[in-house]
Amino acid sequence: DTAVSQTPKYLVTQMGNDKSIKCEQNLGHDTMYWYKQDSKKFLKIMFSYNNKELIINETVPNRFSPKSPDKAHLNLHINSLELGDSAVYFCASWTSGQETQYFGPGTRLLVL
Amino acid sequence: SQQGEEDPQALSIQEGENATMNCSYKTSINNLQWYRQNSGRGLVHLILIRSNEREKHSGRLRVTLDTSKKSSSLLITASRAADTASYFCATASVWGNTPLVFGKGTRLSVIA
Repeated sequence: DTAVSQTPKYLVTQMGNDKSIKCEQNLGHDTMYWYKQDSKKFLKIMFSYNNKELIINETVPNRFSPKSPDKAHLNLHINSLELGDSAVYFCASWTSGQETQYFGPGTRLLVL
Repeated sequence: SQQGEEDPQALSIQEGENATMNCSYKTSINNLQWYRQNSGRGLVHLILIRSNEREKHSGRLRVTLDTSKKSSSLLITASRAADTASYFCATASVWGNTPLVFGKGTRLSVIA
């Protein structure tokens, strides 16, 4: 059973489109994250949710809107995609008592 | 804000040699973790060292942590071609649910 899953794994789309990436964890964790890895392999936090509440938003453009319908899901919707949005997006989850976060396999987004 | 810095940025060695990568960070941490990422793949958690530990081993991996210098090193002994990957350090703060802060990574090439 996959602990943290993301769909889709690959996403190729045109500039200006709107797309969503989904993340689900079956670990019972109450905190979930979205990280972005840019073309230089630089990994940086975008958002963090705890019990469906946004707790961190790292100056991400408001074209990005995370949504957490329940504790097990954290989806990322991106409006008006730009070339610079091309990256790998990683979802992760954590709960109190865990020393590390659990990462999903990543979603590779390419904006043409 | 990004705080981890890996050194070197790239390292090329012969199979059988040892590879050493260094990581520096800026603030107090709860633990420091090392991840591996093969080209085009996800993050693989390698090893975690707590702030009150100085050295840890796992198979061919040896990690050291010097909290006074805010630095860590990862040593891979008897390297193999399959060790070719990017290696990232990531720090977890004393506040449990805050995101990991990743370094920029070291790209290791092991030549057979």
